[in-house]
Amino acid sequence: DAMVIQNPRYQVTQFGKPVTLSCSQTLNHNVMYWYQQKSSQAPKLLFHYYDKDFNNEADTPDNFQSRRPNTSFCFLDIRSPGLGDAAMYLCATSRPWGYEQYFGPGTRLTVT
Amino acid sequence: DQQVKQNSPSLSVQEGRISILNCDYTNSMFDYFLWYKKYPAEGPTFLISISSIKDKNEDGRFTVFLNKSAKHLSLHIVPSQPGDSAVYFCAASPNSGGSNYKLTFGKGTLLTVNP
Repeated sequence: DAMVIQNPRYQVTQFGKPVTLSCSQTLNHNVMYWYQQKSSQAPKLLFHYYDKDFNNEADTPDNFQSRRPNTSFCFLDIRSPGLGDAAMYLCATSRPWGYEQYFGPGTRLTVT
Repeated sequence: DQQVKQNSPSLSVQEGRISILNCDYTNSMFDYFLWYKKYPAEGPTFLISISSIKDKNEDGRFTVFLNKSAKHLSLHIVPSQPGDSAVYFCAASPNSGGSNYKLTFGKGTLLTVNP
């Protein structure tokens, strides 16, 4: 089945220790998104890629970076996680000119 | 400033009855609306959508109604089933003219369908 996969599902990191979250897709979609969702809040878009073109949301902290080495993979790097970065991180994909986004199961990040 | 609002954090209905989930938006540029369903430990999955040129879209037990003048949409589930118990997110997108359609989500409504 074509899908969006996120690894790991649960990640614990220490305050200030860099962490990388991974997303892969078998849908062959051009567009990939990263969202942050805190408890009882709406998913918030951090950035997205159209192929290699990177688009950062204006209010995404500089602490958050992303890499997309190829169509299938996208990484979210948090350079110096703070306690406020503890959240669910969702990866999604879509076709160009497609409103519908396909989500992975998410990675729950805990910062100790 | 929340542009997409789901004012009911939770809703409880009896099996077989109608579930009505509401969503309000403030951005007049939104022209496409989607509902997503999310089970625990899973990502959101697309449920149904509606374009601003329509006022109703139906897919089986699920119907979405759009009232543009009121900037309001609702999702009706008839009849409700216990398997419908999940968090429902309303999302909206502007027609930016580009090829990437960014979604703005509401906070979600937890629907519980009691047997």
